Amino acid sequence: EIVLTQSPATLSLSPGERATLSCRASQSVSTYLAWYQQKPGQAPRLLMYDASNRATGIPARFSGSGSGTDFTLTISSLEPEDVAVYYCHQRSSWPQTFGQGTKVEIK
Amino acid sequence: QVQLVQSGAEVKKPGASVKVSCKASGYTFTAHYVHWVRQAPGQGLEWMGWIYPNTGGTNYVQKFQGRVTMTRDTSISTAYMELSSLTSDDTAVYFCARDSERYQVLNRFDPWGQGTLVTVSS
Repeated sequence: EIVLTQSPATLSLSPGERATLSCRASQSVSTYLAWYQQKPGQAPRLLMYDASNRATGIPARFSGSGSGTDFTLTISSLEPEDVAVYYCHQRSSWPQTFGQGTKVEIK
Repeated sequence: QVQLVQSGAEVKKPGASVKVSCKASGYTFTAHYVHWVRQAPGQGLEWMGWIYPNTGGTNYVQKFQGRVTMTRDTSISTAYMELSSLTSDDTAVYFCARDSERYQVLNRFDPWGQGTLVTVSS
């Protein structure tokens, strides 16, 4: 099974700062990688799919990049409503797996 | 709008079974795969499998084979996930999620149900 390792575990930034989240796969997943946002007490929400495509309704400050084993989710200017845990997810190989999450906090 | 509404929280004893429902609205229920994902307290996400409401076909992660059964009732646009032989390790929030594209399994989850907390305790 493919293991996804996310870093850092926690990211604490001020509003307006740039947030960079990393996801590394134990073997290549091509671009079959998605990002989900889970706000406290809520269900996850699809943010990005196939590494760099924003899901419907997702603000332009969110962007994704990468291929193979290394992926990045960037929030260009952090807003208070972006406080959440962010999970990467691969659908390249059975069984599909999730990373352990990166928690984004506001300083 | 597309919505998945799940049944309420459950408390079960070890060895029992639980059945969680997921009622779909705002789209053609039989056109999209429905996935089940669980999240243990304070932990990450674990995919369990899917059901295709059009045919009733299922695919389960090996870890849950023999213990999980996913079914559907197309007359009421509802999917079900039943998990048997419960242990404390099964205490988690169980989510249903729709696959985003029609008639194919892309394993892209959008949207999700609100989640159902299942607590296993003696």
